[in-house]
Amino acid sequence: DSGVTQTPKHLITATGQRVTLRCSPRSGDLSVYWYQQSLDQGLQFLIQYYNGEERAKGNILERFSAQQFPDLHSELNLSSLELGDSALYFCASSVVGSNTGELFFGEGSRLTVL
Amino acid sequence: AQSVAQPEDQVNVAEGNPLTVKCTYSVSGNPYLFWYVQYPNRGLQFLLKYITGDNLVKGSYGFEAEFNKSQTSFHLKKPSALVSDSALYFCAVRVLNQAGTALIFGKGTTLSVSS
Repeated sequence: DSGVTQTPKHLITATGQRVTLRCSPRSGDLSVYWYQQSLDQGLQFLIQYYNGEERAKGNILERFSAQQFPDLHSELNLSSLELGDSALYFCASSVVGSNTGELFFGEGSRLTVL
Repeated sequence: AQSVAQPEDQVNVAEGNPLTVKCTYSVSGNPYLFWYVQYPNRGLQFLLKYITGDNLVKGSYGFEAEFNKSQTSFHLKKPSALVSDSALYFCAVRVLNQAGTALIFGKGTTLSVSS
């Protein structure tokens, strides 16, 4: 158990809909990262938050947004969903300042868009 | 652009034989390199890292990796493979930003160990 919790584990929805994925980082970790894993694209970095502020952006679509709340949990919002958004979405957290670069991953939220 | 590449989609090896999973990287400055493993329906787990020092890094579950600066490689190795090592392996390179780190991952290599 990594200590990172993601909900829901599975989600099935229709095209055009909007969903929210939730992540609770390990206790004490201030940084949260979101990754998308799909068969054709592999593991893609989406976005990073640190202590409530956006710090780095990767290959995140404009239809997607995220935020980190004062209690440090994070949500990834996916809107106007398309079939190609079906993927496994991972959240990871890290100890900022340790400089080791080791990330702790949750078990993912599997999104299926029909 | 900073990147990491895993040239093999799949590696097949018999149990008891040595295994190698290849990784090459392209970064500016000194590289911080990592290996992660993903078992079916699970999140990624950290295996080992190279930051500085000895080019041979030892990690979890008997795995090790060799850093080669001249070849810009960081291959994962194990002297004797187990069937339970069968999983998806990711090489990653650390990218620095203002407040911490983000890891850029390779596309992954599926390791299949046969009994």
